[in-house]
Amino acid sequence: ETGVTQTPRHLVMGMTNKKSLKCEQHLGHNAMYWYKQSAKKPLELMFVYNFKEQTENNSVPSRFSPECPNSSHLFLHLHTLQPEDSALYLCASSQSTNRELKDTIYFGEGSWLTVV
Amino acid sequence: DAKTTQPTSMDCAEGRAANLPCNHSTISGNEYVYWYRQIHSQGPQYIIHGLKNNETNEMASLIITEDRKSSTLILPHATLRDTAVYYCIVARDTGNQFYFGTGTSLTVIP
Repeated sequence: ETGVTQTPRHLVMGMTNKKSLKCEQHLGHNAMYWYKQSAKKPLELMFVYNFKEQTENNSVPSRFSPECPNSSHLFLHLHTLQPEDSALYLCASSQSTNRELKDTIYFGEGSWLTVV
Repeated sequence: DAKTTQPTSMDCAEGRAANLPCNHSTISGNEYVYWYRQIHSQGPQYIIHGLKNNETNEMASLIITEDRKSSTLILPHATLRDTAVYYCIVARDTGNQFYFGTGTSLTVIP
């Protein structure tokens, strides 16, 4: 148990569906992240939020829409996805965005998404 | 971000020390070396990190060369549960983005 909880753990959706992934952290952290991990590929950083403000968007298609209502919760809204978007989506959090604090990030268990 | 290079895969006998190397020849002075591992179908797990000095915790030891261009993660007594992909990451000096490479797939053999 890392203190970062993701739901659902598994999701199957059609290309015309709208769904959301949820992440909640119980660590009192201020920064939250979404990563994508496709089969046999490295983790890809998608979005970074710091104190509820988005600070990084790594050229992610608009069919992925993040939302961070507070420092403890992070959502990834999914709309009109493609089969190639099927992957493991990982949420993570860290205390701060200040690397000089030697911060580490803590990951949730991930949400397995299959787009059919 | 400094690029890291790791072997694609390694085997280790159960009970022996597993030594996982990482090259980061372009690391800058205030970048840290982090190690994470990912067991199949789970989120990555933090192991250890360091700047210049060698570090040890309950999971592993981290040996960083004096020029900081490479490091080695040591699992002193590997168990079957240590089978995972191990990622060496060099963190940026500003911002908070962790960029993962392909890592080393460690298989602990009974």
